[in-house]
Amino acid sequence: QVQLQEPGPRLLKPSQTLSLTCTVSGDSISSTTYYWSWIRQSAGKGLDWIGRIYASGDTNYNPSLQSRLTISLDTSKNQFSLRLTSVTAADTAVYYCARENYLRAYHIDSWGQGTLVTVSS
Amino acid sequence: DFQMTQSPSSLSASVGDRVTITCRASQTIIMYLNWYRQKPGKAPELLIYAASSLQSGVPSRFSGSGSGIDFTLTISSLQPEDFATYYCQQTYGTPWTFGQGTKVEIK
Repeated sequence: QVQLQEPGPRLLKPSQTLSLTCTVSGDSISSTTYYWSWIRQSAGKGLDWIGRIYASGDTNYNPSLQSRLTISLDTSKNQFSLRLTSVTAADTAVYYCARENYLRAYHIDSWGQGTLVTVSS
Repeated sequence: DFQMTQSPSSLSASVGDRVTITCRASQTIIMYLNWYRQKPGKAPELLIYAASSLQSGVPSRFSGSGSGIDFTLTISSLQPEDFATYYCQQTYGTPWTFGQGTKVEIK
């Protein structure tokens, strides 16, 4: 069974760069069956899809974040990462890494436990 | 972006009740609609994908229906672990978008 492990909480100042790495076990991120995704959730709010990456390195990003966002793979470590530049308080959220499957429709079938990112001066 | 609107935003129900949550898309999403349950402090978990397909391991009291712009999640007999927030998600066009959530509370 796949497991996705995220790092511990992060505290950043405005304008800094957020870097998060998700470690995958029980599956290979080189698999052509899945996409590897990031989703975030602000306190008391709903879910926002950030973007995803495929085994080939192809990515899809949310246009609202695209200018600041990079998602990448490290197949040697079975990890994928998110990099978000120039963060502001609006980027404060719980960030989830996840696996996206395709069977009849794309859907997120496995989630990490989430990591709290706080942006504050 | 595809806007997803859930109703109601919250509801109160008792164990054993039949509960229905609806999700409306701003334009047709065919059948590319998923449902998730999120318990407090936990990650969401997939219940239904492609509008009506039950995810492996999910109890059969959960069912989904609909196509086009209107979709429904039904819980046939509410259990204690079902008091949570439910989200719909469209995966017809990126960026994928979620509904604002429906919180199911104990009456």
